[in-house]
Amino acid sequence: GAGVSQSPSNKVTEKGKDVELRCDPISGHTALYWYRQSLGQGLEFLIYFQGNSAPDKSGLPSDRFSAERTGGSVSTLTIQRTQQEDSAVYLCASSLVAGAHTDTQYFGPGTRLTVL
Amino acid sequence: GEDVEQSLFLSVREGDSSVINCTYTDSSSTYLYWYKQEPGAGLQLLTYIFSNMDMKQDQRLTVLLNKKDKHLSLRIADTQTGDSAIYFCAEIFGNEKLTFGTGTRLTIIP
Repeated sequence: GAGVSQSPSNKVTEKGKDVELRCDPISGHTALYWYRQSLGQGLEFLIYFQGNSAPDKSGLPSDRFSAERTGGSVSTLTIQRTQQEDSAVYLCASSLVAGAHTDTQYFGPGTRLTVL
Repeated sequence: GEDVEQSLFLSVREGDSSVINCTYTDSSSTYLYWYKQEPGAGLQLLTYIFSNMDMKQDQRLTVLLNKKDKHLSLRIADTQTGDSAIYFCAEIFGNEKLTFGTGTRLTIIP
């Protein structure tokens, strides 16, 4: 595709419900990243994938958060039993490969999650 | 912890130069980046600089790097209303993940 796309653009959910956020990377990009942007924490790294594997999950805030990537393309970030502190904008990025520092990470528009 | 620091706000008159400053933390960072975020939009990469450089110029943008002081700056010449946005500096920390600053909201005064 022309750029990184994310869906939904906005999600409002009730505390305790599960949510799934989707990211479609740029075609041909093997690396995919999830970040979270919130008022209190700024922009923080969550997880990245090289292909379908996730070498670094260190940023996931709790075991309620998980992510998967299938077919080396689409990724889904799942948050179980959502809490109000999960409210944030979840940003996805992709790059040609991971580990090449000059390889630009291109960002999607984000999914704004609001937990009531 | 790793904190990349920026001033939160900057106001500049249209046509003047904007200088956005950033202090980063990891002296072993190999690349440093500037991203722009407009309202409701994702992050757009503006420019990056390799740590063995001290300056990089790209049209209206000039990046200065002082590695000794771990200080990075972004200068925007002839600032326009379309430059209004939040600007984030970021460093590569560890392997591939970006560590971002707090962001500087640039406001253009007509």
